[in-house]
Amino acid sequence: QVQLVESGGGLVKPGGSLRLSCEVSGFTFSDYHMNWIRQAPGKGLEWLSYISSSGSTIYYADSVKGRFTISRDNAQNSLYLQMNSQRVEDTAVYYCARDGRWSGGFDIWGQGTMVTVSS
Amino acid sequence: DVVMTQSPLSLPVTLGQPASISCRSSQSLVHSDGNTYLNWFQQRPGQSPRRLIYKVSNRDSGVPDRFSGSGSGTDFTLKISRVEAEDVGLYYCMQGTHWPRTFGQGTKVEIK
Repeated sequence: QVQLVESGGGLVKPGGSLRLSCEVSGFTFSDYHMNWIRQAPGKGLEWLSYISSSGSTIYYADSVKGRFTISRDNAQNSLYLQMNSQRVEDTAVYYCARDGRWSGGFDIWGQGTMVTVSS
Repeated sequence: DVVMTQSPLSLPVTLGQPASISCRSSQSLVHSDGNTYLNWFQQRPGQSPRRLIYKVSNRDSGVPDRFSGSGSGTDFTLKISRVEAEDVGLYYCMQGTHWPRTFGQGTKVEIK
């Protein structure tokens, strides 16, 4: 069964750091590009970052560029998001999502992990 | 960035009746490879989003055939032929043609 499981969320102070993980199973992780997407409480979806299957190509949304770093470990079937210099407005549920092959979208989503940035 | 504009933002519907959501992009979503990467997602209350439609009109596996997508260029539509109770939730369009990928604001479908 194809599954994405995020972890690492929690409460962090403004200016602090947090590292999210997304462990995948049920498919060959190294064959797929991956993404992080977030949803602030009561708000819509915001794409944050993309990493290609090999890790050689990475994109970020302007809202997190320079503060967040996406990475992956294909041997560990895991995707990561290192979040530094966090702001109150980073409070959201963070989802990892698989890039559907040649479909330009996200075909599998995790259950999400909540990040709260507050003093 | 490509702005995705959905309408309406709220859609009360009667069970068994059709529903339609519009999504317009600020620029053409036709990719240089000839494909149009327009997706539709459903988010039921308390759940993660689920993709329904990719490349304008292709249904994902397991998606009921009462859901259909159409459109081209900058104008797209998601239709539900006969709304069922399980269709309640938020619906988002998303473009995958241009970077950064962008979502519409979401349309809330509820039962009258």
